[in-house]
Amino acid sequence: GAGVSQSPSNKVTEKGKDVELRCDPISGHTALYWYRQSLGQGLEFLIYFQGNSAPDKSGLPSDRFSAERTGGSVSTLTIQRTQQEDSAVYLCASSSPFQTGVMNTEAFFGQGTRLTVV
Amino acid sequence: RKEVEQDPGPFNVPEGATVAFNCTYSNSASQSFFWYRQDCRKEPKLLMSVYSSGNEDGRFTAQLNRASQYISLLIRDSKLSDSATYLCGTSGSARQLTFGSGTQLTVLP
Repeated sequence: GAGVSQSPSNKVTEKGKDVELRCDPISGHTALYWYRQSLGQGLEFLIYFQGNSAPDKSGLPSDRFSAERTGGSVSTLTIQRTQQEDSAVYLCASSSPFQTGVMNTEAFFGQGTRLTVV
Repeated sequence: RKEVEQDPGPFNVPEGATVAFNCTYSNSASQSFFWYRQDCRKEPKLLMSVYSSGNEDGRFTAQLNRASQYISLLIRDSKLSDSATYLCGTSGSARQLTFGSGTQLTVLP
């Protein structure tokens, strides 16, 4: 597809279970971002990938959260032992390779995964 | 302190009004600046990038003040369809893209 694709679009899980959220960025986009958005709130930065490496993991809320990216493309965000406070929409965004001297590279968002922990 | 802070909302304005949003950022190394629009239960989409010289796109004008580290968005002649949440974002040399918490705008008939 032409846009950022996230799956599943909705996920209901029981407290204590592990979940995996997937993001397929736009082809050729080397930068990939994960955000969390609780109801009526702004975007909480979680993690950022440049290629397969994550220069900034500072936003991950706890060690129950992890993310990986393989082949410079698909990324998976894993939440272990889910808690009710993990319920939110998880958004992924990607942007094209950064070029020296070129600013304001637009990030494109997927439609998100709505996670509900019951 | 949050890296990017926005005007607390919500803003409720009549159709045709001019409304301005401000956003401040704490990272002086920030290099790129954006305004995104997010409709209810939808993903954010780029409204406009913000350039040092300021830029205009129809009814929308964005300004950047590096000395004071703030970004503004001005919407003239508000339309009902402008109702949304407006997010400002910044990106530094490390290319991490950080957003404010958003400002909700409702344009009333």
